[in-house]
Amino acid sequence: QQPVQSPQAVILREGEDAVINCSSSKALYSVHWYRQKHGEAPVFLMILLKGGEQKGHEKISASFNEKKQQSSLYLTASQLSYSGTYFCGTEIPNDYKLSFGAGTTVTVRA
Amino acid sequence: DGGITQSPKYLFRKEGQNVTLSCEQNLNHDAMYWYRQDPGQGLRLIYYSQIVNDFQKGDIAEGYSVSREKKESFPLTVTSAQKNPTAFYLCASSSSGVTGYTFGSGTRLTVV
Repeated sequence: QQPVQSPQAVILREGEDAVINCSSSKALYSVHWYRQKHGEAPVFLMILLKGGEQKGHEKISASFNEKKQQSSLYLTASQLSYSGTYFCGTEIPNDYKLSFGAGTTVTVRA
Repeated sequence: DGGITQSPKYLFRKEGQNVTLSCEQNLNHDAMYWYRQDPGQGLRLIYYSQIVNDFQKGDIAEGYSVSREKKESFPLTVTSAQKNPTAFYLCASSSSGVTGYTFGSGTRLTVV
């Protein structure tokens, strides 16, 4: 079953912050985050494994609440280059494959 | 440079014809995957393979077939049984252990 992402879209001005959420109805082994620019392939940002673990990529960080099966992606002081569609991918234990959310389209304006 | 190559980038086929999409990787990754992406939707898993000569159906395998005869290659055939084949197809690979996926640049298939 695919994870649920929210919001569907967000518009930011440069320097503003945003949070993208990803939730699953199943117990998770890992959560991945990817960014896809229009017409291009998704690019891996980070993977989270443990409850409460946080990671960072540029000024983009993420957390994983293992108890709630939720992950959040934090875009801090957004830049124009952050525009794109962000996908979370979730893996359940012993499943060895990712299920992706529908994506969150982020538009950063000058 | 290591990477994953999909070809062709654009493909047009007539309804009722089978078509094969190529996916090659030189990353020495064990696992390979095929996803389908429709406008405004996420990626849906078609087939995946953890090792050579073995593969499993994903969520939307009907109307598709794959083979994994070599570690580097994982071609996808879209058969005439696939009711709505027009979509963007993405191939990905990953190594064993906890790592992210590397995606190819995709093939945009249009069936007319």
